[in-house]
Amino acid sequence: EAAVTQSPRNKVTVTGGNVTLSCRQTNSHNYMYWYRQDTGHGLRLIHYSYGAGNLQIGDVPDGYKATRTTQEDFFLLLELASPSQTSLYFCASSGGQLNTEVFFGKGTRLTVV
Amino acid sequence: GDSVTQTEGLVTLTKGLPVMLNCTYQTTYSPFLFWYVQHLNEAPKLLLKSSTDNKRTEHQGFYATLHKSSSSFHLQKSSVQLSDSALYFCALLNYNQGKLIFGQGTKLSIKP
Repeated sequence: EAAVTQSPRNKVTVTGGNVTLSCRQTNSHNYMYWYRQDTGHGLRLIHYSYGAGNLQIGDVPDGYKATRTTQEDFFLLLELASPSQTSLYFCASSGGQLNTEVFFGKGTRLTVV
Repeated sequence: GDSVTQTEGLVTLTKGLPVMLNCTYQTTYSPFLFWYVQHLNEAPKLLLKSSTDNKRTEHQGFYATLHKSSSSFHLQKSSVQLSDSALYFCALLNYNQGKLIFGQGTKLSIKP
């Protein structure tokens, strides 16, 4: 099965802190996504990318930057973390073809205190 | 812009009963719809997918039919089991942009 690995799995940081969430996929997929999951809001798309060096803005991008350094690696950066960014973050990848399945990592739980 | 709406936040049922979880969508492009299931403390996994109008798709006892006329893709099962307790997400792929967006999710809770 397709593999998407997120690190760290848990992170606690202080308000104003700098956080980087990492995601690596070994599926040779073109598309990679960052979502946040909050009760009552479902999965909300932060940023996504269709290849190395490409970045597309999602639906809730404020306060987040992202960078796709290689086909495999996609990073989410919070440069001035705020308590409102406390959430469960999922990275996902897909081949980008018609009807293609999206594969998710196991998630990173971020707490901003 | 594109959107997905799931009207039920929580559905509680007794084992053996049928269930239907609602999903409607809005898009100006040709729709590709998905249902994902997320069990407690796990990542979401694909349950069903479809882009064909009026064709029923099935997997693991669940089924759904994409109806473009009503912009709907409701998830159904004829007899729920305890193991079906999970969070269910409907999702829409905007193929032109490569953007996959999700509804708010419906928590399905099955009682003995």
